[in-house]
Amino acid sequence: GEDVEQSLFLSVREGDSSVINCTYTDSSSTYLYWYKQEPGAGLQLLTYIFSNMDMKQDQRLTVLLNKKDKHLSLCIADTQTGDSAIYFCAETGAGTALIFGKGTTLSVSS
Amino acid sequence: DVKVTQSSRYLVKRTGEKVFLECVQDMDHENMFWYRQDPGLGLRLIYFSYDVKMKEKGDIPEGYSVSREKKERFSLILESASTNQTSMYLCASSPYSMVAPEQFFGPGTRLTVL
Repeated sequence: GEDVEQSLFLSVREGDSSVINCTYTDSSSTYLYWYKQEPGAGLQLLTYIFSNMDMKQDQRLTVLLNKKDKHLSLCIADTQTGDSAIYFCAETGAGTALIFGKGTTLSVSS
Repeated sequence: DVKVTQSSRYLVKRTGEKVFLECVQDMDHENMFWYRQDPGLGLRLIYFSYDVKMKEKGDIPEGYSVSREKKERFSLILESASTNQTSMYLCASSPYSMVAPEQFFGPGTRLTVL
């Protein structure tokens, strides 16, 4: 069945780059998403990529898509303490529903 | 700005009580969703609705029902709350769109069932 897998934790130092990885199973997914959840808040869309793209860059964020391996990465350059949050990978599911991974908790130390 | 509001941030109920969680969105979105979020399990879809009075089961509908009488409001009902329904409940909405349907989330309701 459909499933989205992510590692649960990542710890980096301020100023380093962070790479959060995700694998998905449904090759027919049209869009793939990264959401961010700050403590005590709901999820907020960070970025998304269309499935026919390999890469998308948006300021400090770079999304890499390897469709052959069904592998999605979120790269955060110059990671700041404000980037500490849970990051969810998601793919399109039935209708307009999204299928979310379990989330990666990013911890940034100064 | 799209706004999705949930009636309570924190709720404490007793086993067997009937619980209503309300969600309202102000952007005339067609689609609305209820998820629960548990540590180590991520977000799991309970129910969603793509139109007034329409509903579809998600991955974990057991023990829940929903109501969508008006476009802007989507209610999640726990008919008889149980301790295993203690969780964070997140509501989301999205427009009907064939292009990157973004879901907008509310702040969540943390429900504790004693």
